[in-house]
Amino acid sequence: DTGVSQNPRHKITKRGQNVTFRCDPISEHNRLYWYRQTLGQGPEFLTYFQNEAQLEKSRLLSDRFSAERPKGSFSTLEIQRTEQGDSAMYLCASSRGGTYNEQFFGPGTRLTVL
Amino acid sequence: QKEVEQNSGPLSVPEGAIASLNCTYSDRGSQSFFWYRQYSGKSPELIMSIYSNGDKEDGRFTAQLNKASQYVSLLIRDSQPSDSATYLCADLSGGSYIPTFGRGTSLIVHP
Repeated sequence: DTGVSQNPRHKITKRGQNVTFRCDPISEHNRLYWYRQTLGQGPEFLTYFQNEAQLEKSRLLSDRFSAERPKGSFSTLEIQRTEQGDSAMYLCASSRGGTYNEQFFGPGTRLTVL
Repeated sequence: QKEVEQNSGPLSVPEGAIASLNCTYSDRGSQSFFWYRQYSGKSPELIMSIYSNGDKEDGRFTAQLNKASQYVSLLIRDSQPSDSATYLCADLSGGSYIPTFGRGTSLIVHP
């Protein structure tokens, strides 16, 4: 399977705990995006990388959220001191970049904060 | 801040009919638009992209772009119950490569 993969697929945690998600993009894609989606809403942009450089970060993103892409391949998204409002689907997408920038999504990680 | 507006629906059509989904966008300079299909509990799946004014056809799907009126539409011909899903419209504009998604339109195709 050469698509985008994400792990874990589901995560249940208690409020105040830290969680980390992983995304493996399509191998030849140099851009990687993180989104958050809640019920009835479209994906909300969080941050993106071109290779290992983090180029954009949403102003809505709390400082409890951090993302890395250390070697320009896989990426991790960490949420510290989780809150119930962090419960959502966390989506990763990758693209080749360029003018049109078609993005392909992974299956997502469903986070539930109790 | 860019905005993409979609009617949340649901849009209900009978099997075999044409489903018409619409979206409007706020950034007059926007150039690239995408339609994604999302089944309940699943991630978005890219189905169409359109960059130029006019129509683009792919199988049963036709995307339409009208930059003067700032709207994008998706037509699904011969709708099938398996087309029942939420359809997301996305705008990619400028050099920042940050898509803005609409909240999606729920489509129900009934037998």
